Amino acid sequence: AQTVTQSQPEMSVQEAETVTLSCTYDTSESDYYLFWYKQPPSRQMILVIRQEAYKQQNATENRFSVNFQKAAKSFSLKISDSQLGDAAMYFCAYRRQGAQKLVFGQGTRLTINP
Amino acid sequence: DAGVIQSPRHEVTEMGQEVTLRCKPISGHNSLFWYRQTMMRGLELLIYFNNNVPIDDSGMPEDRFSAKMPNASFSTLKIQPSEPRDSAVYFCASSLMTSGETQYFGPGTRLLVL
Repeated sequence: AQTVTQSQPEMSVQEAETVTLSCTYDTSESDYYLFWYKQPPSRQMILVIRQEAYKQQNATENRFSVNFQKAAKSFSLKISDSQLGDAAMYFCAYRRQGAQKLVFGQGTRLTINP
Repeated sequence: DAGVIQSPRHEVTEMGQEVTLRCKPISGHNSLFWYRQTMMRGLELLIYFNNNVPIDDSGMPEDRFSAKMPNASFSTLKIQPSEPRDSAVYFCASSLMTSGETQYFGPGTRLLVL
């Protein structure tokens, strides 16, 4: 069974600095999708970024980018120029190609210090 | 465009009572998912539908839980009878059924069973 591991329960960063959240996953599949979701205090689950495993280029969305290392089964999220509004729980998620079930990691709570 | 709509946002009930959670997916989406989030177990997929048909209900905890999707724009998750251990945040998400499509989450229903 596929598993997703986020080894950092909590992280903190100074406003305007850069922070990287870690995620590793276990799968025997070669085709799959990876996602980062953000959950602010409002509880809403918001998609931050997604990566298709067949793409070598790392996905980027404004201040958010990923470092996708397929061989290492690693999918880290980098947040540049951190803002107070980035404070939230961040969840890494995996989905196998052809499947619809998302498998989530345990989450990382990110605090932004002003 | 309206996102996934869930109601109620908060529900407090007493053990033994019936609870019904409601979800309206994004218009045009043909897959709908019910998730449960708890501190102990994180985010778990309970059941999902494609074109209003339940596909995988293996995550439904027990017979006290049931879900229906009578049409493309409405789904319910019912707990009868409710127990304190059912207290959690319940999310509904929707997507297009095409492989790789992103799931978009509703705001969640926070359920407290006393």
